[in-house]
Amino acid sequence: GDSVTQMEGPVTLSEEAFLTINCTYTATGYPSLFWYVQYPGEGLQLLLKATKADDKGSNKGFEATYRKETTSFHLEKGSVQVSDSAVYFCALSDRDRGSTLGRLYFGRGTQLTVWP
Amino acid sequence: EAQVTQNPRYLITVTGKKLTVTCSQNMNHEYMSWYRQDPGLGLRQIYYSMNVEVTDKGDVPEGYKVSRKEKRNFPLILESPSPNQTSLYFCASSPAMTVNIQYFGAGTRLSVL
Repeated sequence: GDSVTQMEGPVTLSEEAFLTINCTYTATGYPSLFWYVQYPGEGLQLLLKATKADDKGSNKGFEATYRKETTSFHLEKGSVQVSDSAVYFCALSDRDRGSTLGRLYFGRGTQLTVWP
Repeated sequence: EAQVTQNPRYLITVTGKKLTVTCSQNMNHEYMSWYRQDPGLGLRQIYYSMNVEVTDKGDVPEGYKVSRKEKRNFPLILESPSPNQTSLYFCASSPAMTVNIQYFGAGTRLSVL
């Protein structure tokens, strides 16, 4: 079935460091891919998305490119800030699944802590 | 302000005592869903609803009930809570045409003793 695998956390970085959080997926159709972010004490919110191969999603300095050949959607940011400390979830939505059309499948989440 | 509101935010209860967690959205969304979040397991879907009076099971529905009598409300009911239902619960909603872009409530932390 459809699934998402994220790198294990936690990830701890100093401010201005480069961030990569790996995400790979398994899907039978043509999925859309997402990154959601959960700040402390809050619900999840959409960070960025890509709906087809080679699309690049971007928001708040974060980027992720939909790579069909490697079934990956890695999250990157060139210079992290303390305010980026949060849990990041990779998610998949397979558009070809009938009654589950558009349903989200989440990875396990990666905790990011950024120190000043 | 567009939002998904869950109540209560924190709840401690005892095994077997029925409880309801409420969820309400003010965005006129057709789709609503309940998730539980557990360490190392991420988010798992409990139930979802595509519209009023239409509900379906997610990945982990055992021990839970839901109802969708009105478009804005989607309560989660635990008829006889057990300690393995101790978790962080999230309600989410979205328009029917974009159910993969969901808006989440702030969460309800439930402890069952």
